[in-house]
Amino acid sequence: AQTVTQSQPEMSVQEAETVTLSCTYDTSENNYYLFWYKQPPSRQMILVIRQEAYKQQNATENRFSVNFQKAAKSFSLKISDSQLGDTAMYFCAFMKRNSGGGADGLTFGKGTHLIIQP
Amino acid sequence: DTGVSQNPRHKITKRGQNVTFRCDPISEHNRLYWYRQTLGQGPEFLTYFQNEAQLEKSRLLSDRFSAERPKGSFSTLEIQRTEQGDSAMYLCASSSMGVFSTNEKLFFGSGTQLSVL
Repeated sequence: AQTVTQSQPEMSVQEAETVTLSCTYDTSENNYYLFWYKQPPSRQMILVIRQEAYKQQNATENRFSVNFQKAAKSFSLKISDSQLGDTAMYFCAFMKRNSGGGADGLTFGKGTHLIIQP
Repeated sequence: DTGVSQNPRHKITKRGQNVTFRCDPISEHNRLYWYRQTLGQGPEFLTYFQNEAQLEKSRLLSDRFSAERPKGSFSTLEIQRTEQGDSAMYLCASSSMGVFSTNEKLFFGSGTQLSVL
């Protein structure tokens, strides 16, 4: 079974600053995906970024980028030029590649509450 | 493509009553998931459908819970004889399994918030 750990329950930064959210995971799998999901107060889970474990290049999506360290089983999210709208819960999640679905679909961490201060 | 739709958004019920939630996945998505999320936690897997077949159920899903996905389209999750511990956000997600599963992504609905009094 996989586990995902987010050690920062809450973080707060000023608008326009850069912030990094931490995530570590434990798995014996070699082929998998990692995700960051954002959950604003509306409770809608929104996919922020996705990383395929077999790719060495770190994924980027506009202001969002990851630092994927496969050997260390670490997958941190960096948000540059943070905006008020980035305030939300952020969940790190793991999925086996070629997953049969079900419980292998996604395993989530407990989340980090990110607050962007004006 | 209007995304994953869940109804109702909120449900308040008295302990012992039955409730039913509906999820409409993204059209042509063959996989559908139900998750439960309590305050301060990440979503936890409940059950999963591939087309109309329910392939897996979590131990979290007691006998009071039943899910269906007739014809592989929308899905319903019913909770019988609700208990206060059932209070949570119930999230539905769907995905399309590609031939090589190289683009596996789950898209979530806005959830149904259940409060059992």
